Amino acid sequence: ETGVTQSPTHLIKTRGQQVTLRCSSQSGHNTVSWYQQALGQGPQFIFQYYREEENGRGNFPPRFSGLQFPNYSSELNVNALELDDSALYLCASSLQGGGLGNYGYTFGSGTRLTVV
Amino acid sequence: GQQLNQSPQSMFIQEGEDVSMNCTSSSIFNTWLWYKQDPGEGPVLLIALYKAGELTSNGRLTAQFGITRKDSFLNISASIPSDVGIYFCAGQPPPGSGYALNFGKGTSLLVTP
Repeated sequence: ETGVTQSPTHLIKTRGQQVTLRCSSQSGHNTVSWYQQALGQGPQFIFQYYREEENGRGNFPPRFSGLQFPNYSSELNVNALELDDSALYLCASSLQGGGLGNYGYTFGSGTRLTVV
Repeated sequence: GQQLNQSPQSMFIQEGEDVSMNCTSSSIFNTWLWYKQDPGEGPVLLIALYKAGELTSNGRLTAQFGITRKDSFLNISASIPSDVGIYFCAGQPPPGSGYALNFGKGTSLLVTP
């Protein structure tokens, strides 16, 4: 059973650029959630995808968007990057839609994004 | 979602000592989770709690789901150097209140031999 894998591990982008982060969910999981973790903070929920549709969103602007594919892998896209977007982006997969217990949540190691 | 109040912010202890940290929320949760995060890694689940009053152990770790459903604590007994890391509490609201896990800011634990 493979865990959650994220790519790339590190990324440096210039303000105003666009970025795509990728996540392969754990085998057997159908739900993917994305979190942003700023330095010294806990993870903040961006959004969740269940069966290829967004089914929950945190307090992030529309320039943060995502996709989930039929194999349950996922992408996080961020347009018009700002300096404050610099953070660790975590992907977590689970089996259910997130409404009934998250004991199945498995996090990836994250992508460290630096915006300069 | 809200950020939970987690304390203490950091702890610096000697090997063998016991550790206690807690987390409070202004709203109720259906599930409380405790994670450990090492540098350069994602959070790893330590203990999950699903019922108010529940007390659960995982080796040297013990956690409790508060009766009010607005708080939880984690105890680590007889700490060892590999316990070093950042510990996060996370709560999941009841169904219909969102899907997000709400995290605390973390407790940074340093253990000296």
